[in-house]
Parts: sequence; structure tokens; C-alpha cells
Amino acid sequence: KAGVTQTPRYLIKTRGQQVTLSCSPISGHRSVSWYQQTPGQGLQFLFEYFSETQRNKGNFPGRFSGRQFSNSRSEMNVSTLELGDSALYLCASSFEPFHSGALNTGELFFGEGSRLTVL
Amino acid sequence: GQQVMQIPQYQHVQEGEDFTTYCNSSTTLSNIQWYKQRPGGHPVFLIQLVKSGEVKKQKRLTFQFGEAKKNSSLHITATQTTDVGTYVCRGNTDKLIFGTGTRLQVFP
Repeated sequence: KAGVTQTPRYLIKTRGQQVTLSCSPISGHRSVSWYQQTPGQGLQFLFEYFSETQRNKGNFPGRFSGRQFSNSRSEMNVSTLELGDSALYLCASSFEPFHSGALNTGELFFGEGSRLTVL
Repeated sequence: GQQVMQIPQYQHVQEGEDFTTYCNSSTTLSNIQWYKQRPGGHPVFLIQLVKSGEVKKQKRLTFQFGEAKKNSSLHITATQTTDVGTYVCRGNTDKLIFGTGTRLQVFP
């Protein structure tokens, strides 16, 4: 079956602009989570959506937002871009949402990522 | 706050040498997962450990979960150039926390 698809793969923006990234999960997966990856910080959790509801949120400012549609596709938006927002943005899908303290956590299937450069 | 520290940050080895990366959590984890990310690629799931003291093997890779479920290790025996990449752990507490990753470089 098709993997997780992210678009666009690469984009360049300037400070102050906003950007929208898209993620289509694996068919049948209803959980989509987003991550920011930078060389110094590694994978930082942004938020998770399940059945169109945001279930978990990381420690990012309100400029970072997201949503999920009824077909499980998800978008994330970053407004008023800053230079520090330059990063690889990865989305991942899983069959079940994250449950804190659960013994079994479903594996994440990652997309190829959207590489954002802010000038 | 809760953290998952991963060491070392970088490791360069000669092909054939062994390699180990460690994840240490400040709180007890209900489980831990390991992912591998090849250069220019995306993280790919390797394994999940659940039980205290659990050890799992995948060919040359050995994964361990500590008795207190606060630390874990990934050991590669006789590294090969195909092992190059970043190895990242993901711990389940009341949040999902990724370690910062260990970048492995293997010289032929």
C-alpha cells in the first residue's frame, strides 16, 4: 500500500510569510502527528490529530497550527515565519493514536518530509 | 521537564567495529521504540521494547530495555557501511518524547 505522502517536498519562504504543508497518511491510518527536525534539536513533536481532533500538542508557539480532515489527511500551517523555522517537517501516521502510559504504542510511519527554508 | 537523553551524539567507527547508543530517561517509560534514519531519509521503525530487562535481537542489532525502564541501548555488532544513519529512540511517558539521536558514520 502507498506510504505517507507529504507535499511540497521543498519550499523557500521569506520572513513574515506563512506556509501550509500537507500530509496524506497510509490508507486506514487515522492518527497523524507532525514533527520538526533540525540538526541541533532532533525530532521535536508538534501535534497529533486523530479523527479530526487534536489530541496532543508539543511546546511550540501558536504560530504553528494544524488540522485534520474527514479523510484523515492533515495540514499544518506556520504563520509569520521566522528564520528559526527553517527545518525538515515530518509527518507520521499510525493506526491508533498515542496513549500515554500504554504498553504498546503503534509504530510511526513517516513521510519523506517537507524541507522549509526561511530567508 | 521530562527528557530523553541520547548518547553519544556522534560516533565514527571503522567497518567491523561494534557500536552502541544509549537512551536515558528522567522518568519511567511504559515502552521505548527505536528508529533508524538514513542520511536524507525519514525515520523507519526498528523495534519496540515493553518489558523490564527485555532484550531483543535483529541480526546484528541487539536492543535492551533497562530493569527500571528508564534506559535503553542499541548495540550493533560488526558494523557495516549500510548501518550508516541516525538512530533515534522514542519513549512513552505521559508524552511522546524522542531522543536527540546518535549519528553513526562507518568508514570502510
